[in-house]
Amino acid sequence: NAGVTQTPKFQVLKTGQSMTLQCAQDMNHNSMYWYRQDPGMGLRLIYYSASEGTTDKGEVPNGYNVSRLNKREFSLRLESAAPSQTSVYFCASSEGGGPRRIGYTFGSGTRLTVV
Amino acid sequence: DAKTTQPPSMDCAEGRAANLPCNHSTISGNEYVYWYRQIHSQGPQYIIHGLKNNETNEMASLIITEDRKSSTLILPHATLRDTAVYYCIVTTGGGNKLTFGTGTQLKVEL
Repeated sequence: NAGVTQTPKFQVLKTGQSMTLQCAQDMNHNSMYWYRQDPGMGLRLIYYSASEGTTDKGEVPNGYNVSRLNKREFSLRLESAAPSQTSVYFCASSEGGGPRRIGYTFGSGTRLTVV
Repeated sequence: DAKTTQPPSMDCAEGRAANLPCNHSTISGNEYVYWYRQIHSQGPQYIIHGLKNNETNEMASLIITEDRKSSTLILPHATLRDTAVYYCIVTTGGGNKLTFGTGTQLKVEL
């Protein structure tokens, strides 16, 4: 099973450029999430989608937009990248709707550098 | 979601049990305790979760105190591959958003 797949794995952007981070899960999960992790810190929630067709802001949504394209895919867009958005981005999914035995499944991350 | 407090770092000898504590004194009745770990710079990995009873799976055991204000994750025979940051998270359910703190850096040594 692929689980949660993120693309690309690495990216370097110039300030002001835009890009979309892609995330897809093959576990038929209802909920999907985007987190960022800065060096030495825990993960912070950017946006999440509790179910197909819904999205909500997390702790640090400024500078980002998301699209829940279908049940499998949840993309994160940086419209005008800034150096402060240099981070590792993790996508995750879960069955949603209450406690589940396996919790969240995370992707392997996208390492983004904005210069 | 309730806030958690974990020690920033711990050491453990390989083959010995690693006991990672977590305080969650403001936990409410419908909140579960979840444990995740993050090895190096990989994505976090789910370990175990519980409400009020002790839980065990193939990876670890979770001991929750009777008043539910604290818990301990136990890795019964730690190996070098268990070196990771361990996060204790309290939340109302697996489908709800998780709030990560800075966790405990566990270092397993020979």
